[in-house]
Amino acid sequence: NAGVMQNPRHLVRRRGQEARLRCSPMKGHSHVYWYRQLPEEGLKFMVYLQKENIIDESGMPKERFSAEFPKEGPSILRIQQVVRGDSAAYFCASSPRAVQGAMNTEAFFGQGTRLTVV
Amino acid sequence: GENVEQHPSTLSVQEGDSAVIKCTYSDSASNYFPWYKQELGKGPQLIIDIRSNVGEKKDQRIAVTLNKTAKHFSLHITETQPEDSAVYFCAAPRGDMRFGAGTRLTVKP
Repeated sequence: NAGVMQNPRHLVRRRGQEARLRCSPMKGHSHVYWYRQLPEEGLKFMVYLQKENIIDESGMPKERFSAEFPKEGPSILRIQQVVRGDSAAYFCASSPRAVQGAMNTEAFFGQGTRLTVV
Repeated sequence: GENVEQHPSTLSVQEGDSAVIKCTYSDSASNYFPWYKQELGKGPQLIIDIRSNVGEKKDQRIAVTLNKTAKHFSLHITETQPEDSAVYFCAAPRGDMRFGAGTRLTVKP
C-alpha cells in the first residue's frame, strides 16, 4: 500500500505564475489535509477536504489560494499569482475518515512539495 | 478547531537522558492524541498515539501519558539517541487536524 504521494517534490515559479500542488492520498483514504510550513516553523493548517467537499478552509488565505479533492484523481492545492511570501513547504496528510477517537482514523503525511518563488 | 499548546519549543538533552514534551488542549471532548516526528527535509511521521480510554501507552523507548482531568498529554523519550533529534508535533484532533507549535529536540552525543 503506497503512502501519501505528493508531486512535484520541488517546484520553482516566477512571481505572478500559478502553482499547482498535487496530493494522492493513501488507498482507501477519503480525507485530505493541507499544511504550509515555513523554514524553522510549525505546521500551519490550511484546509481540510473530503471527497468533493471542503470541510474546513479557515486556514487558507481567501485570495489566490484554492483547493479541491475531486471524486477521481488527486487533491490539488492551487496558488494563483504567486508571490515570494508563498515560498514554503506544503504538506498534505490523508486519513480514511475524520481523525478522532475511533480506531483506524490515523492520518499519514506525504513528503511535501517545496515551492520556491523567484 | 482545537487549540493545542505545546512546550517547550526547544529541548536539548545529552545522549542517554530522557526528554519530555507536554501538550495542553482545551476541548474536553477530545479523545485522540497523536504525536508526529519530523526529521529535516521530510514529512511528519506518526510515532505514537493514545486514545482517551487509556492513561499511558508505550512503544519501546517512547511513551505517551494522558491526563484527561487536567487536559494535557505528554511524550516521553527515554535513553535518547542522536537519531531522536527532530521536531515533534502534537495534536488533539476533532475531525480536523491542527497541531501544536512543535518542539525541536536536540540530542547531543
